[in-house]
Amino acid sequence: KAGVTQTPRYLIKTRGQQVTLSCSPISGHRSVSWYQQTPGQGLQFLFEYFSETQRNKGNFPGRFSGRQFSNSRSEMNVSTLELGDSALYLCASKTAGNYGYTFGSGTRLTVV
Amino acid sequence: DQQVKQNSPSLSVQEGRISILNCDYTNSMFDYFLWYKKYPAEGPTFLISISSIKDKNEDGRFTVFLNKSAKHLSLHIVPSQPGDSAVYFCAASDGETSGSRLTFGEGTQLTVNP
Repeated sequence: KAGVTQTPRYLIKTRGQQVTLSCSPISGHRSVSWYQQTPGQGLQFLFEYFSETQRNKGNFPGRFSGRQFSNSRSEMNVSTLELGDSALYLCASKTAGNYGYTFGSGTRLTVV
Repeated sequence: DQQVKQNSPSLSVQEGRISILNCDYTNSMFDYFLWYKKYPAEGPTFLISISSIKDKNEDGRFTVFLNKSAKHLSLHIVPSQPGDSAVYFCAASDGETSGSRLTFGEGTQLTVNP
């Protein structure tokens, strides 16, 4: 059974640009969440999607957005990148009614 | 407002001994707790969880203890192995109001020395 797949693994962008990250959940998992991990911080919740609807949103500015497609694949977008957006972005999926998320390996975003 | 705190950034133990990782929380609405392990350049891997209606859950070498009155949980690893060296994250969920959102601690780097 394939795990959670995130693409790309590494990305370098310039301040002011925008970026789109992709996540393919485990087959059958309809809940997808995104987290940001920065040095010295734990994982900060960005948002959660279920059946193409955003169910929950963390405390991030509107520059961070996401969506989920009918096949449960998800994308997150960050516009007008800032240096502080440099982080590891993790996608996780799970089945409904289950607490335990399975995480992907993440996308390492570096903003220069 | 750090609702889940892991006060020890690092812990070093000898192979074969017990590793105890601690986690404190402030939100009394949390009703489910999880531990994840993370290796560099990989995503977190689920280890073990516990519901707030229990005070202990065991899975092989891993045991999680929950003390609701103290808002404290701990992960015990016995015996510790060098392959256990990783960052361990404590996470909590409040299914009633925050749905599937997990609130994570800052992590503890565990090093198991051969």
